[in-house]
Amino acid sequence: GAGVSQSPSNKVTEKGKDVELRCDPISGHTALYWYRQSLGQGLEFLIYFQGNSAPDKSGLPSDRFSAERTGGSVSTLTIQRTQQEDSAVYLCASSATDRGSDEQYFGPGTRLTVT
Amino acid sequence: GNSVTQMEGPVTLSEEAFLTINCTYTATGYPSLFWYVQYPGEGLQLLLKATKADDKGSNKGFEATYRKETTSFHLEKGSVQVSDSAVYFCALLDPPTGANNLFFGTGTRLTVIP
Repeated sequence: GAGVSQSPSNKVTEKGKDVELRCDPISGHTALYWYRQSLGQGLEFLIYFQGNSAPDKSGLPSDRFSAERTGGSVSTLTIQRTQQEDSAVYLCASSATDRGSDEQYFGPGTRLTVT
Repeated sequence: GNSVTQMEGPVTLSEEAFLTINCTYTATGYPSLFWYVQYPGEGLQLLLKATKADDKGSNKGFEATYRKETTSFHLEKGSVQVSDSAVYFCALLDPPTGANNLFFGTGTRLTVIP
């Protein structure tokens, strides 16, 4: 079956512009996560959605970052007024439930470059 | 809080050498522990996991044992191959504390030379 997909695969944007990154989780997975992989910071958690519950936004680095998950499926991560330090690979993952033993399946990532 | 400390790389080994990548963790609850691998040009994928103390996760010749007494989850392989060249990430998940996200180590780049 299809895995987690993300689009675009690469995005180059100018400093100050807004960007939207999309994630399509595995069908039927109730939990969805966004992470960021950047040089010097490693892999860090951004935001987590589980079913219809309020998202856990504790990892978002600033109020320029926001995310939505519509209809319990597709998610969009939005970065407003991008800065050069936002350059990173943004990874989306989904899992069947939010139980600790459930594997998180990762998408291929979106490489964001802010010039 | 939750954190993962992972052996710094890069690590370069000859084919058929023994591999150990150290990982220790700090958690407030009873976490599940994972090793993820990222092969060149590919996405992050789960290599193995262990969900409780003394469990051993294994896959593709790799093993790691969940040691609660030493808060460790070291990755081992008896004989590495060139195809094992990748970046390896140790991670934990600790839902009982309310955190459903993975906490990752910094990653260890392994290069295996023929």
